[in-house]
Amino acid sequence: GENVEQHPSTLSVQEGDSAVIKCTYSDSASNYFPWYKQELGKRPQLIIDIRSNVGEKKDQRIAVTLNKTAKHFSLHITETQPEDSAVYFCAVIDSGTYKYIFGTGTRLKVLA
Amino acid sequence: EAQVTQNPRYLITVTGKKLTVTCSQNMNHEYMSWYRQDPGLGLRQIYYSMNVEVTDKGDVPEGYKVSRKEKRNFPLILESPSPNQTSLYFCASRPIAGATYEQYFGPGTRLTVT
Repeated sequence: GENVEQHPSTLSVQEGDSAVIKCTYSDSASNYFPWYKQELGKRPQLIIDIRSNVGEKKDQRIAVTLNKTAKHFSLHITETQPEDSAVYFCAVIDSGTYKYIFGTGTRLKVLA
Repeated sequence: EAQVTQNPRYLITVTGKKLTVTCSQNMNHEYMSWYRQDPGLGLRQIYYSMNVEVTDKGDVPEGYKVSRKEKRNFPLILESPSPNQTSLYFCASRPIAGATYEQYFGPGTRLTVT
């Protein structure tokens, strides 16, 4: 079955700096790669997603890049702000079971 | 408004007392799931359902039951809760076809079993 590894588990950056979180996956047939943000005490919410036929997608300060050959995808947050502090989860959909397989999460702290 | 609702939001109970956490979605999604979230362990899937009357085990199904009699509802049942089921529980739903597979989460149910 699909396996997803997410790094780093914690990340601290100064306000205004960039943050990058990386995930690797094992199933080469996977074709959908979302990122979720979970603020403290809240539910996870989708912030950006990418399909396998696209190499990069941007939405204001966030972007996701996908390298299908290497089987990894990354979340990039530029000009970080204190409200970006949260836990971020990557995910992949298992092509056999259609299950979401989540990474273990990255706790991002943006220091003012 | 498109949403997933869960009830109750908070529950404190005692070992062995059967309980049900309800989940409902209004987006006509085929796929529904239950997750538990514990510190340092991320989101672990308990059960999922790809459509009415179709359910399957996730990664941590022991001690839980589900049913999917209607498309919109997917209750989670703990027949005999134990303290190790103390956790934060999320219900979620998503489509199985279309432009996006965005998963919508409910607000969460914080369960404490004493």
